[in-house]
Amino acid sequence: KQEVTQIPAALSVPEGENLVLNCSFTDSAIYNLQWFRQDPGKGLTSLLLIQSSQREQTSGRLNASLDKSSGRSTLYIAASQPGDSATYLCASGGYQKVTFGIGTKLQVIP
Amino acid sequence: SAVISQKPSRDICQRGTSLTIQCQVDSQVTMMFWYRQQPGQSLTLIATANQGSEATYESGFVIDKFPISRPNLTFSTLTVSNMSPEDSSIYLCSVDGGIYGYTFGSGTRLTVV
Repeated sequence: KQEVTQIPAALSVPEGENLVLNCSFTDSAIYNLQWFRQDPGKGLTSLLLIQSSQREQTSGRLNASLDKSSGRSTLYIAASQPGDSATYLCASGGYQKVTFGIGTKLQVIP
Repeated sequence: SAVISQKPSRDICQRGTSLTIQCQVDSQVTMMFWYRQQPGQSLTLIATANQGSEATYESGFVIDKFPISRPNLTFSTLTVSNMSPEDSSIYLCSVDGGIYGYTFGSGTRLTVV
């Protein structure tokens, strides 16, 4: 059974700082790894999707990497802004099955 | 990727009543997924809804409590029946966008009093 762990559970940083969020998974036989953003009480917004054959994906200030052999993914946020404050979830995709981490709650302080 | 409209966005309901949540997708999809997110927890899959057949429920979820309809390839509803305070959660629908990954509705924040 796939288990997804995210560290840290919460993170508070000053505006402008670069930061890294970590995601680990126990079963490396994944189809893809997806990062989401969730604002309080809201749905999930997809940020980046990395297919199992890829090593990383970039979108603007966000960069996500995937290392299947070690069961790890990281989300790098450059030059953080207060608007980045949200919970970030990673999800491992398998055959008709997605497993979510519990998320990292990020607060960017102006 | 698909766009999903989910409603209501939030509701406060009395114990013992039922609430129906709707999701409309802007394209035809084979499977739709319904999730529950309890406070401080991650997402838990309730069921998978296929058009023209009964939904497939995950362990711990039953049709009498969470009936699902899937009348066509763009629409689905989830009903939370006979609600208790323990049903207070965010409920989300989702579709598999293939190479675009999973797309989610905007969520329904349910509070049962």
